[in-house]
Amino acid sequence: DAKTTQPPSMDCAEGRAANLPCNHSTISGNEYVYWYRQIHSQGPQYIIHGLKNNETNEMASLIITEDRKSSTLILPHATLRDTAVYYCIVRVRRDDKIIFGKGTRLHILP
Amino acid sequence: NAGVMQNPRHLVRRRGQEARLRCSPMKGHSHVYWYRQLPEEGLKFMVYLQKENIIDESGMPKERFSAEFPKEGPSILRIQQVVRGDSAAYFCASSTGTGLNGEQFFGPGTRLTVL
Repeated sequence: DAKTTQPPSMDCAEGRAANLPCNHSTISGNEYVYWYRQIHSQGPQYIIHGLKNNETNEMASLIITEDRKSSTLILPHATLRDTAVYYCIVRVRRDDKIIFGKGTRLHILP
Repeated sequence: NAGVMQNPRHLVRRRGQEARLRCSPMKGHSHVYWYRQLPEEGLKFMVYLQKENIIDESGMPKERFSAEFPKEGPSILRIQQVVRGDSAAYFCASSTGTGLNGEQFFGPGTRLTVL
């Protein structure tokens, strides 16, 4: 079973920042937090990952709380193309299988 | 650098036939993963392979399903005697397995329809 809890859906206005929360209260010290997204009918796309420090790349920012029990994925300027299901995943090794939960269905509103 | 390739993209089979799904990993990737997504459901891990070896098949149904990743050529997911419940999207992912960027990159999927 997935070790994370996410809201089933969220809305965000186009151009605004989309903040997607994730709870992972049972995360172990050696587990990373990963985010993937799946745009309708396509294969999942890697977004970002982190261990305990906040991370930023060209797609998004990842904010991990100090106790590591929750995190937030931030899409700084959401566009209609960001409409997708976003999955928050915890896992130990980069080559480990991915256990997908139900994710958050993000709707970007024009 | 081409991404993960899967073919066919769409496959239609009648009950009882065999389905063969192919996955060509990204160049330089020696790890392959197969996932299945049933209609309106999330992705479920099936099997993890490295060249010529099955590393983890904990998500594979015990019967009718098999996977291989030969030394040369693509990885193959084989489903024998398909049933309607096998209708799903099958995604393949690949990774280097090591290093800073051992991320899994997914292919576009094969959509299997069993009539």
